[in-house]
Formats: sequence, structure tokens, C-alpha cells
Amino acid sequence: AQSVTQPDIHITVSEGASLELRCNYSYGATPYLFWYVQSPGQGLQLLLKYFSGDTLVQGIKGFEAEFKRSQSSFNLRKPSVHWSDAAEYFCAVGGHNAGNMLTFGGGTRLMVKP
Amino acid sequence: NAGVTQTPKFQVLKTGQSMTLQCAQDMNHEYMSWYRQDPGMGLRLIHYSVGAGITDQGEVPNGYNVSRSTTEDFPLRLLLAAPSQTSVYFCASRGGLGGEQYFGPGTRLTVT
Repeated sequence: AQSVTQPDIHITVSEGASLELRCNYSYGATPYLFWYVQSPGQGLQLLLKYFSGDTLVQGIKGFEAEFKRSQSSFNLRKPSVHWSDAAEYFCAVGGHNAGNMLTFGGGTRLMVKP
Repeated sequence: NAGVTQTPKFQVLKTGQSMTLQCAQDMNHEYMSWYRQDPGMGLRLIHYSVGAGITDQGEVPNGYNVSRSTTEDFPLRLLLAAPSQTSVYFCASRGGLGGEQYFGPGTRLTVT
């Protein structure tokens, strides 16, 4: 069965500092990987996705993530955090089968200090 | 193009009542799914469908029913509401294998 672990429940960074959110997955083959962001009281917005090819993927709002097969990781990064990035971030893994829906991690809540 | 829509946005039920959460998408997506979101647990899959007339159970299906009579609609029924079903419910759709998944705005349900 596929699974996703986000080891950090909360992270606080200063505005302008760099950010890395960790995501580890378990899946038997090459997965599809996603990062979503959720602002308070809102739905989920896709930040970026990895399907195949280049292991460094660029997303919206200046985010990027790197797929590392050897480490089963798909960490999200941003070089300089803005106060508006405060939100909850979810990593998700999906498969290549028709019935394979996304499995989500527990989420990481990001707080940004001024 | 409205994407994925959900109604209602908020609902309060008493224990034992039943209700249906509505979900519709206008993107002609084959795959639709329902998730519930609880603090610290991310989103957990309740039921999903890979096409009209085809549904299957996800990780936490107990207490919920679904049907898929059309491509557009995928309602979620709570049969006998329980306080443990207090949660935020998200409907999602995607266009095909590996396709991007689009989420509705969510329904916040409280069962007292």
C-alpha cells in the first residue's frame, strides 16, 4: 500500500529565510508526486507535480521540489519565504493504475515570523 | 467552467440524521473521489469512482455511501450521522491516469 510521511507537523521560519518541507513516500513503482497548499478555511491548490523526467520540478509561487528515488523523498523548497506563504502544505502520492487515488501525508503547518 | 463544486458549504446534523453532500464537475473527468480532512491526519480517501456506474471504497468508507449515475455528479451520503463524522469533506476529480486532481472548496460538517 502506498503511504506518505511528512515528519514535521509545524515549522516556523522568518520572512526572507529559505524553506524546506520534507516528504517521504512509500510506493512500489515510480510514483506520481504532488504538493498542495491549503490556506485557512480554503480548499487545496496544486503547487507542483512530478510525473516523470527531470527530477527537479518548478511550481507556482516560487516553489520547487526534487524527486530523489534513492531516498523515497520529494522535499519542497523555496529560497525566500514571504508572509503570504503561511499555510498548511500537503504532500501526496498517486499511482499509475486507474483506481489509484491520491494518498496524502498528514500535512505541515508553516508559520512565518516577520 | 466552474471546476468542482460542492454543496452545502456548512452543515450541522444531529446524531442519527442522514444527508447527502453534493459534488459536481464540469470538466468531463472520469475519476472522482471523496476525502475527509481531520486535524493532523491529512486527507483520507472515503470512496472513489473511475467512471459512471463504477465506485469503490477507499481508506475510511464506513458510514458513507456513494453512487455515480452520471459523469458529472458524485454525491456522498451519510446514512446515520455520528459525531465521529464531524470533519471537512472534499470532493475531487481528475481527467485520467496521473492527471492533475482538482478539489472542490469543501463542506464543513458538524454532527452533534
